[in-house]
Amino acid sequence: GAVVSQHPSRVICKSGTSVKIECRSLDFQATTMFWYRQFPKQSLMLMATSNEGSKATYEQGVEKDKFLINHASLTLSTLTVTSAHPEDSSFYICSASVAYNEQFFGPGTRLTVL
Amino acid sequence: GQQVMQIPQYQHVQEGEDFTTYCNSSTTLSNIQWYKQRPGGHPVFLIQLVKSGEVKKQKRLTFQFGEAKKNSSLHITATQTTDVGTYFCAGDFGNEKLTFGTGTRLTIIP
Repeated sequence: GAVVSQHPSRVICKSGTSVKIECRSLDFQATTMFWYRQFPKQSLMLMATSNEGSKATYEQGVEKDKFLINHASLTLSTLTVTSAHPEDSSFYICSASVAYNEQFFGPGTRLTVL
Repeated sequence: GQQVMQIPQYQHVQEGEDFTTYCNSSTTLSNIQWYKQRPGGHPVFLIQLVKSGEVKKQKRLTFQFGEAKKNSSLHITATQTTDVGTYFCAGDFGNEKLTFGTGTRLTIIP
């Protein structure tokens, strides 16, 4: 089946630093990648939709200057949390799809900002 | 806005009992998908329903899509300990993005 990887799986950083999270589709080319955020025991909240070679589309309330998304190829998208603060601590999950069909989720990245 | 609600939020059942989670949308959906997330894991795709009134089965799991394409249900027959996790419905309102429901956390009492 389709596999999506995420790196790193866990990161702890100091307040004010930037963190980059990578999302890769390993055995297929994803036309679209999505970035979600999940707080403990809550649902997934879509942050942005990313298509290769074009600017990401952000959901309402998500700061595009804070959460930078780059979709460099059909197999790689990156999310950079800039100037991270403790309230940015969360579980960030990416997913990849082909032609907006089922989404294949990465294992997630747990970000802790001290 | 477009919302997807799910009930119940939690469900504790004895092993062997049945389990059902219900999903309701504020507006008509293009399609609905179901995902399972194990504790500490990531969502895993279970199924997609597209047609009005559609019913699909996967072994002990039965998925239904309402006639109006605004509600859906997942029913598990004779639960097993491996069924533990949170079940999410996710609706596509025709904008090719998924709006996840609030999820139902299933725990099994052995």
